[in-house]
Amino acid sequence: AQSVTQPDIHITVSEGASLELRCNYSYGATPYLFWYVQSPGQGLQLLLKYFSGDTLVQGIKGFEAEFKRSQSSFNLRKPSVHWSDAAEYFCAVGLPYSGAGSYQLTFGKGTKLSVIP
Amino acid sequence: GAGVSQSPSNKVTEKGKDVELRCDPISGHTALYWYRQRLGQGLEFLIYFQGNSAPDKSGLPSDRFSAERTGESVSTLTIQRTQQEDSAVYLCASSETMYNEQFFGPGTRLTVL
Repeated sequence: AQSVTQPDIHITVSEGASLELRCNYSYGATPYLFWYVQSPGQGLQLLLKYFSGDTLVQGIKGFEAEFKRSQSSFNLRKPSVHWSDAAEYFCAVGLPYSGAGSYQLTFGKGTKLSVIP
Repeated sequence: GAGVSQSPSNKVTEKGKDVELRCDPISGHTALYWYRQRLGQGLEFLIYFQGNSAPDKSGLPSDRFSAERTGESVSTLTIQRTQQEDSAVYLCASSETMYNEQFFGPGTRLTVL
């Protein structure tokens, strides 16, 4: 079964500093890859996704992610963090599941980002 | 257009009671998903509906959990004889088709006392 690992449970950065959130997946083939953000009390919002093609993906709110097949990684980056970026970030893998006609996302456990003013 | 909506936003119930959670997907979205998010955990897949096909129930944790969907509209997730370990946020998502971006609702926070 596929799995998603986000090694960092909690990260704290200063406003204006750069950010990298790590995500590794375990699966034989290249899955669809996603990053979602969840602000307190709110649902998940898609930041960006990778299906195929260019391995550097641009998303909303100034985020980008790079797919590295050799490392089975899809790390999320932002060059300069804003206080409003404080939230929880989830990496997810999308694959056909349990036979034909089914599909699900498998999520990592999330990384909570705190931003120091 | 409106996003995915869920009701109620919060539900507190006593152990052993049944609860019903509702999800209204985005109009026209054929795929609908239910996930469970326990405190400090990632999302756990529960069930998936695609159009009029039989749902994929393989993620349901026990036979106390069931879900229905009327055509390509509203879905309800029912938990019978609730247990304290059922306490979690239940999230619903919908997408245009199976592999498209999933749009999430705000969730229902269920607390079982």
